[in-house]
Amino acid sequence: GENVEQHPSTLSVQEGDSAVIKCTYSDSASNYFPWYKQELGKGPQLIIDIRSNVGEKKDQRIAVTLNKTAKHFSLHITETQPEDSAVYFCAADNYGQNFVFGPGTRLSVLP
Amino acid sequence: EPEVTQTPSHQVTQMGQEVILRCVPISNHLYFYWYRQILGQKVEFLVSFYNNEISEKSEIFDDQFSVERPDGSNFTLKIRSTKLEDSAMYFCASSEGDTQYFGPGTRLTVL
Repeated sequence: GENVEQHPSTLSVQEGDSAVIKCTYSDSASNYFPWYKQELGKGPQLIIDIRSNVGEKKDQRIAVTLNKTAKHFSLHITETQPEDSAVYFCAADNYGQNFVFGPGTRLSVLP
Repeated sequence: EPEVTQTPSHQVTQMGQEVILRCVPISNHLYFYWYRQILGQKVEFLVSFYNNEISEKSEIFDDQFSVERPDGSNFTLKIRSTKLEDSAMYFCASSEGDTQYFGPGTRLTVL
């Protein structure tokens, strides 16, 4: 089955700087890669996703890149704001049936 | 914007008791899921449900667990003979394709 690794586990940036979180996956059959933001006491909220036929996708300050050959994908957040502070999870689909999540990255944006 | 809802937000139970966690998926979605998240750990897949039957389940989802869609709107997770290690956040998700939307979760505490 699929295995997803995520780095770093914690990340602190100054407000206005960029943040990058990287994930790798093991199963080349995976085709869909969502990113979720989880605030304390809440459920995961989808922030962006990418499918295997696309190399990059951007939505305002958030972008995701995918390298299928290397089996890794990354989340890029530009011009970070304090409200971006949360735990971010990457995930990969597992034969289209469910998601396998990475262990999460705790992002702190310092004012 | 439609969202997944879950009740209760927090459930406290004694070890050995049965609990039912309830979810109302987004109305036009056809695929339903349960995930759990032990405190401080990653989100783990439990089960997926489609067309009134389980389509996939993880090794966590043993005979202690069952799911049901008792009517046209609710989706439930039943945990029998709860154990201390069942304490976790339980998230329901729904989708109409590959994008899954998560509810706010139910925090289950087994004493």
